[in-house]
Amino acid sequence: GQQLNQSPQSMFIQEGEDVSMNCTSSSIFNTWLWYKQDPGEGPVLLIALYKAGELTSNGRLTAQFGITRKDSFLNISASIPSDVGIYFCAGFTGTASKLTFGTGTRLQVTL
Amino acid sequence: EAQVTQNPRYLITVTGKKLTVTCSQNMNHEYMSWYRQDPGLGLRQIYYSMNVEVTDKGDVPEGYKVSRKEKRNFPLILESPSPNQTSLYFCASSSGRGGTQYFGPGTRLLVL
Repeated sequence: GQQLNQSPQSMFIQEGEDVSMNCTSSSIFNTWLWYKQDPGEGPVLLIALYKAGELTSNGRLTAQFGITRKDSFLNISASIPSDVGIYFCAGFTGTASKLTFGTGTRLQVTL
Repeated sequence: EAQVTQNPRYLITVTGKKLTVTCSQNMNHEYMSWYRQDPGLGLRQIYYSMNVEVTDKGDVPEGYKVSRKEKRNFPLILESPSPNQTSLYFCASSSGRGGTQYFGPGTRLLVL
């Protein structure tokens, strides 16, 4: 199946710092999604991107759909303790209806 | 309240004993899917359904079956579970292929 390479695998940052993570693929995606998963919960959608070059914000979160359609990044500004969790990128390719997830970035925020 | 429910939440079983994990959504969503989550591998799609009686394989369908007889329900069936199917399973639904996917709370399965 499709592979989405997500990096970094984990991050340890201090409260107030900005965070950046990205996802790359060998195939073209026509939709990119970013999810957050809290411990013991299912993933929750943060941001959805539908067009190449699209830049979308949701509060302190900003995500971009890469021009090549093979990558996307997520930035979190001024991190706070409740940002702790696992962040996943995901995407749909072509007319396929299969949603492929990245391997996740585990974020830890220290005070 | 809009939600996706899964049952059971936790299940311990033995190799070869058929089991079913139920999934139900109350949002009249057309698209439903099943994922398994394993450490270091993220979420991998098992099966998905675009609508009633329309199902298709995801990336890891081997050893699983699904059915979509009603819009709200999408059960996952393991006819003969094996230890490599020990995992955390999530059901999700959305109004369309690219719509917001709502995930259930997860079912943790241990196959001995």
